[in-house]
Amino acid sequence: GAVVSQHPSWVICKSGTSVKIECRSLDFQATTMFWYRQFPKQSLMLMATSNEGSKATYEQGVEKDKFLINHASLTLSTLTVTSAHPEDSSFYICSARESGQRSYGYTFGSGTRLTVV
Amino acid sequence: GDSVTQMEGPVTLSEEAFLTINCTYTATGYPSLFWYVQYPGEGLQLLLKATKADDKGSNKGFEATYRKETTSFHLEKGSVQVSDSAVYFCALSDANEKLTFGTGTRLTIIP
Repeated sequence: GAVVSQHPSWVICKSGTSVKIECRSLDFQATTMFWYRQFPKQSLMLMATSNEGSKATYEQGVEKDKFLINHASLTLSTLTVTSAHPEDSSFYICSARESGQRSYGYTFGSGTRLTVV
Repeated sequence: GDSVTQMEGPVTLSEEAFLTINCTYTATGYPSLFWYVQYPGEGLQLLLKATKADDKGSNKGFEATYRKETTSFHLEKGSVQVSDSAVYFCALSDANEKLTFGTGTRLTIIP
């Protein structure tokens, strides 16, 4: 079946530094990828929709300049948390939809736990 | 906007007990409905889905029926196992095919 690899699975960084998270579709092409944020004991909140070859679409309230998304190829999207602060600590999850598939074609990565100290 | 409401957890059951996790939704049009499961330290896995009214999704002994009249998609399993312990998310996708998730229900099964 479709597999999405997310890396790293966890990262600890200092305040003010930037962190890049990768999301790769391993055995399919994905024109659309999604980035979510999950707070402890809460649901997933969609941050942005990443489209290959074009700018990402951010949800209301998500800072574009803080959460940089790049979807340069059909198998890779990256999320960079810039100038990270402790309040950015969270669990970030990506998902990818195989090109041409309907919504039930979403596959999720295993998530990245970011801790900013 | 679209929203999903599911019963708050945590839910603790004994092995072989009957499980119901309630889920109701608000959406315009005719959304597709899903249940996802998240095991500790992992991402989400699709458990089952239904794309139109009266459809029943099923997988691994779990079932859920798309009830348009009550805007519900309750998850059920007749006999749970310890390995079913996880967090379960109800979700819907709209015409734009964005997923909207419920808050999740943590299920713990004790031997």
